[in-house]
Amino acid sequence: KNEVEQSPQNLTAQEGEFITINCSYSVGISALHWLQQHPGGGIVSLFMLSSGKKKHGRLIATINIQEKHSSLHITASHPRDSAVYICAVFAQKLVFGQGTRLTINP
Amino acid sequence: KAGVTQTPRYLIKTRGQQVTLSCSPISGHRSVSWYQQTPGQGLQFLFEYFSETQRNKGNFPGRFSGRQFSNSRSEMNVSTLELGDSALYLCASSREAGGYEQYFGPGTRLTVT
Repeated sequence: KNEVEQSPQNLTAQEGEFITINCSYSVGISALHWLQQHPGGGIVSLFMLSSGKKKHGRLIATINIQEKHSSLHITASHPRDSAVYICAVFAQKLVFGQGTRLTINP
Repeated sequence: KAGVTQTPRYLIKTRGQQVTLSCSPISGHRSVSWYQQTPGQGLQFLFEYFSETQRNKGNFPGRFSGRQFSNSRSEMNVSTLELGDSALYLCASSREAGGYEQYFGPGTRLTVT
């Protein structure tokens, strides 16, 4: 079993829909990262969390340390949000989930 | 402020050869980490350098090595290339070592034939 599990693996939605991507992990961590990767490979760090909730524009990330679970929400989704979203946890080193491929159709 | 740069961006090598990839971190960042991304295994941690010292290493064979210079620039080397080494190699820099926010470079796409 992977140390970091994301769901769903693939998600297709219509523009404007509310999106949720989930991440569960099985190890003790000091921080959790949400990353965005567009076609072509470039990776952008969206959030780094150790507790609670963070918001940046239409993106919201939450973490529940006791339940070892984090969620990434996108409100009012847009086709430009189409990308792979990757959850990564830091436990001496970064361990990555397998990614969620999000496609937003106009 | 300039972002993380990696050179070369694309590379084609033959089995058995060796390759050196370079990473220049954001100015002021002292930590550089390297990652390998493949379709089958996803993103995997290779190693992290901080102040010219390797802090941590992932589960990769000894053919994978790296170093960091006094100006924080880093290189990674892969010797005796295998077909399975074909991947996107990403480096990321952060201000300090550990799980701080990482700034990724564009990657080097290595193809081994």
